[in-house]
Amino acid sequence: GAVVSQHPSWVICKSGTSVKIECRSLDFQATTMFWYRQFPKQSLMLMATSNEGSKATYEQGVEKDKFLINHASLTLSTLTVTSAHPEDSSFYICSATPDTFSNQPQHFGDGTRLSIL
Amino acid sequence: QKEVEQNSGPLSVPEGAIASLNCTYSDRGSQSFFWYRQYSGKSPELIMFIYSNGDKEDGRFTAQLNKASQYVSLLIRDSQPSDSATYLCAVTGYSTLTFGKGTMLLVSP
Repeated sequence: GAVVSQHPSWVICKSGTSVKIECRSLDFQATTMFWYRQFPKQSLMLMATSNEGSKATYEQGVEKDKFLINHASLTLSTLTVTSAHPEDSSFYICSATPDTFSNQPQHFGDGTRLSIL
Repeated sequence: QKEVEQNSGPLSVPEGAIASLNCTYSDRGSQSFFWYRQYSGKSPELIMFIYSNGDKEDGRFTAQLNKASQYVSLLIRDSQPSDSATYLCAVTGYSTLTFGKGTMLLVSP
């Protein structure tokens, strides 16, 4: 089955630090990748849609200058949380699909738990 | 605003019973319907997907779709304690996925 790898699994860092999270599709090319955030006991909230070779599309209320997304290749998207603060602490999860405009399901990475002290 | 509604639960069933999880959605243009399982502290795992009205079976899991009623369900037969998790319903109309808040299922031995 489709495999999506996300790294790192855990990050603990000081306030003001920038953190980069990588998402890789291992056995398929992903034209589109998605970045979600999940707070405890809440549902997944889509942050942005990352398209290879173009700018990401951010959901309403998500600061594009705070959450930098780069999708430089068909197998790699990165999310950088710039100048992270304690309120950015959350579970960040990426997903990918082989074909945006089809019925193909999204496959999720294992997630990154970010804790800002 | 596209909405996907699920009962938050918890839904408690004894081991061996059938668990029935329900989901309604607001967008009549929705085309694809997915069920994900999420264990505490883990990312979602795809369980089933269904595109057409009717039933789709895969092992102990059956997904049911009724587009006229805008309703999709997941049945888990012979429930096991290892099935205890939060089940997320997700809906899409060829764009982004909209997730429900999930139903917590507890299967007691």
